[in-house]
Amino acid sequence: DGGITQSPKYLFRKEGQNVTLSCEQNLNHDAMYWYRQDPGQGLRLIYYSQIVNDFQKGDIAEGYSVSREKKESFPLTVTSAQKNPTAFYLCASGGTGATEAFFGQGTRLTVV
Amino acid sequence: DQQVKQNSPSLSVQEGRISILNCDYTNSMFDYFLWYKKYPAEGPTFLISISSIKDKNEDGRFTVFLNKSAKHLSLHIVPSQPGDSAVYFCAASSLYNFNKFYFGSGTKLNVKP
Repeated sequence: DGGITQSPKYLFRKEGQNVTLSCEQNLNHDAMYWYRQDPGQGLRLIYYSQIVNDFQKGDIAEGYSVSREKKESFPLTVTSAQKNPTAFYLCASGGTGATEAFFGQGTRLTVV
Repeated sequence: DQQVKQNSPSLSVQEGRISILNCDYTNSMFDYFLWYKKYPAEGPTFLISISSIKDKNEDGRFTVFLNKSAKHLSLHIVPSQPGDSAVYFCAASSLYNFNKFYFGSGTKLNVKP
């Protein structure tokens, strides 16, 4: 089955700990993205990558880091520097050009 | 500052009637627009898109209209069904900065049986 997989679906972490969210796609897409959704707000872009070994900051990159060592994988690390990490995180992938982005099921991160 | 805005956080419609969801944008460089549907605790799924060279695109019960001069787009759902109840996001991108999608804050549609 072709698709984009995020894991885990729910994640709890203590304040001050780094945590890494997984995102894998087998759609052979070049571009991958991380978005964050907060209640009453749209999807805000954290980081995006258009090709392997290259990524760009989105609008709210502070406190986050990413890597793109493989085409299929784009993990997101939420560091202790992120002031409000509790949110719903969505990973997406897309083909070249301004085509639609395909989303994973999301990871709900709760920091206590 | 949000470049894509959905000013109605919620909309309630009777089953069988038309649902009209609106979206405004500020960046005149945007030339590709999309609508996504999202259920709680799930990722958004792509619904329909429109390029700036068109002013209308239809797919079954869903039609998107684009008014470039007003920087406004709308999604019409006819007839509305209870299964359409979800949050709808509009998104925009530009070929000059392709693959970077900007999303609105979403409109929660409730279709009453």
